[in-house]
Amino acid sequence: DGGITQSPKYLFRKEGQNVTLSCEQNLNHDAMYWYRQDPGQGLRLIYYSQIVNDFQKGDIAEGYSVSREKKESFPLTVTSAQKNPTAFYLCASSIDSEPGSYNEQFFGPGTRLTVL
Amino acid sequence: EDQVTQSPEALRLQEGESSSLNCSYTVSGLRGLFWYRQDPGKGPEFLFTLYSAGEEKEKERLKATLTKKESFLHITAPKPEDSATYLCAVQGGGADGLTFGKGTHLIIQP
Repeated sequence: DGGITQSPKYLFRKEGQNVTLSCEQNLNHDAMYWYRQDPGQGLRLIYYSQIVNDFQKGDIAEGYSVSREKKESFPLTVTSAQKNPTAFYLCASSIDSEPGSYNEQFFGPGTRLTVL
Repeated sequence: EDQVTQSPEALRLQEGESSSLNCSYTVSGLRGLFWYRQDPGKGPEFLFTLYSAGEEKEKERLKATLTKKESFLHITAPKPEDSATYLCAVQGGGADGLTFGKGTHLIIQP
């Protein structure tokens, strides 16, 4: 079965700790994305990557970091610098992100992060 | 800056009562408009992509349409299992990510 997996489903963090959220896809997609979802707000783009070893900041990158060492994996680290990290985090992928393309993004099941 | 506004925020219908959800957008160079369905605590599920004004797509009881300023998601004779939050998103010419609206929370009562 092809798809996107995220782990863990629930994550609890103490203030001052860094945590890493996992995202893996076996769809052979080039592009991967991280979004954050808060109650009453639309999804907001944190980071995205169009190719291995390259990534760009989205609209709300402050306090987050990513890596893209493998095509299949795009982990997100929520650092202690993120002021309000409690949210639902969604990873997505698309076939490619060539300029002028318009490929739909497919989402994983999400990770709910709570800061204690 | 790309913007997406969805209305209404919430909608309660009786089973079989057809209606429409609205997605108004402003974008520089629309590359695609996307509709997703999201169930509580889950990731969005892709429904449709619309590329140009006048385009329509259908899937079961859902039909999506697109004009130069807005998109509609028409729901015909809905069933309780259609209850979910429906999200609209656009991809503009200068963006690689999607800009999402806040969604319409749809409840279908038996």
